[in-house]
Amino acid sequence: GQQLNQSPQSMFIQEGEDVSMNCTSSSIFNTWLWYKQDPGEGPVLLIALYKAGELTSNGRLTAQFGITRKDSFLNISASIPSDVGIYFCAGLYYTGNQFYFGTGTSLTVIP
Amino acid sequence: DAGITQSPRYKITETGRQVTLMCHQTWSHSYMFWYRQDLGHGLRLIYYSAAADITDKGEVPDGYVVSRSKTENFPLTLESATRSQTSVYFCASSVEGATEAFFGQGTRLTVV
Repeated sequence: GQQLNQSPQSMFIQEGEDVSMNCTSSSIFNTWLWYKQDPGEGPVLLIALYKAGELTSNGRLTAQFGITRKDSFLNISASIPSDVGIYFCAGLYYTGNQFYFGTGTSLTVIP
Repeated sequence: DAGITQSPRYKITETGRQVTLMCHQTWSHSYMFWYRQDLGHGLRLIYYSAAADITDKGEVPDGYVVSRSKTENFPLTLESATRSQTSVYFCASSVEGATEAFFGQGTRLTVV
């Protein structure tokens, strides 16, 4: 299967700090997605990226589709306690509707 | 309520028993998926379905069986549960050609 590696695996930060995480793949994807999973819940889509080089924001979140199409980055500015959760990247091919997920980054925000 | 629902939310079963996890969606999405979530592995695709009566294997299909006789339901069966199948299972659905998969709340399965 496809291997999507996320880093870091976990982060412990102070409230108000900025967060950066990334996702790399051995394959090229046509779409990159970033999901957040709250404890005890299913993942929820945060941002979708559709072309290489694209930079997209959603509130305090900014994500980029890497130029090589093999990586993507997510930044969270001015973190708050409700940002706690696991963040997953996902890659999607045009055909087959198969979503491949990364290993996740666990974020803890210390008030 | 509209959306995608999984049942049960929690299940404990014994090794060797058959267990079925249910997934129901009310959006009439053509695609449905089953993932398992394990520490260090993220979400791995078990099976997916492009439409009723069409299913295909994902990354980790061994030990699992799926069926899709109706568009809205996509049950996952463990024919003879093993301890290695202890995991959190997520069902998801999407429209064909879409870039978002909608997830259920998950089923935490423990095989003892």
